[in-house]
Amino acid sequence: EVQLVESGGGLVQPGGSLRLSCAASGFTFSSYAMSWVRQAPGKGLEWVSTISGSGGSTYYADSVKGRFTISRDNSKNTLFLQMNSLRAEDTAVYYCAKGIAAAGRRGITFDIWGQGTMVTVSS
Amino acid sequence: QTVVTQEPSFSVSPGGTVTLTCGLSSDSVSTSYYPSWYQQAPGQAPRTLIYSTNTRSSGVPDRFSGSILGNKAALTITGAQADDDSDYYCVLYMNSGLPVFGGGTKLTVL
Repeated sequence: EVQLVESGGGLVQPGGSLRLSCAASGFTFSSYAMSWVRQAPGKGLEWVSTISGSGGSTYYADSVKGRFTISRDNSKNTLFLQMNSLRAEDTAVYYCAKGIAAAGRRGITFDIWGQGTMVTVSS
Repeated sequence: QTVVTQEPSFSVSPGGTVTLTCGLSSDSVSTSYYPSWYQQAPGQAPRTLIYSTNTRSSGVPDRFSGSILGNKAALTITGAQADDDSDYYCVLYMNSGLPVFGGGTKLTVL
């Protein structure tokens, strides 16, 4: 069974940092691109970032570019999102999602989703 | 800035058929925008329904179908059931290859 489990969320002050993790199981992790999608309280879904299966290509939404860094450890089947210079508007549930291919548009197509981890940025 | 548009809300009777649409503020939607659709039940994580306009994700029943209708992408639900009561989001892929979510449609089954 394909499973994605996010962790690392919590309360952080504005300007602070947080690192999210997503543990994957049930599929060949390195064969698929992985993404982060977030949802602010009471709002819609927003794509945040995607990394190719090899880790060689990364993509970011303009709203997080320069502040967030996506990475992956294929030996440990784990996806990461390093979030720096956090702002109140980054408050959201963060979901990791598996792509349907290693790269390209199909890689950024969301297939399987985790249950999410909540990030709250507040003083 | 390109905006992906969806109806804010829709209602359907149990057993009925409903079509939700996904448009663009500045262009017509075609298959080249690779539309996809996601369902999110209250308090739950999203679930993938459709990608590449009309390809159903694994395990999705065939009463969910995707298409292009006129200048928009469309998600049609036939034989609506109580547990279809959810938010539905479309995604379009821009010339950059990057995805943009629509604002979502809240579907009520009553």
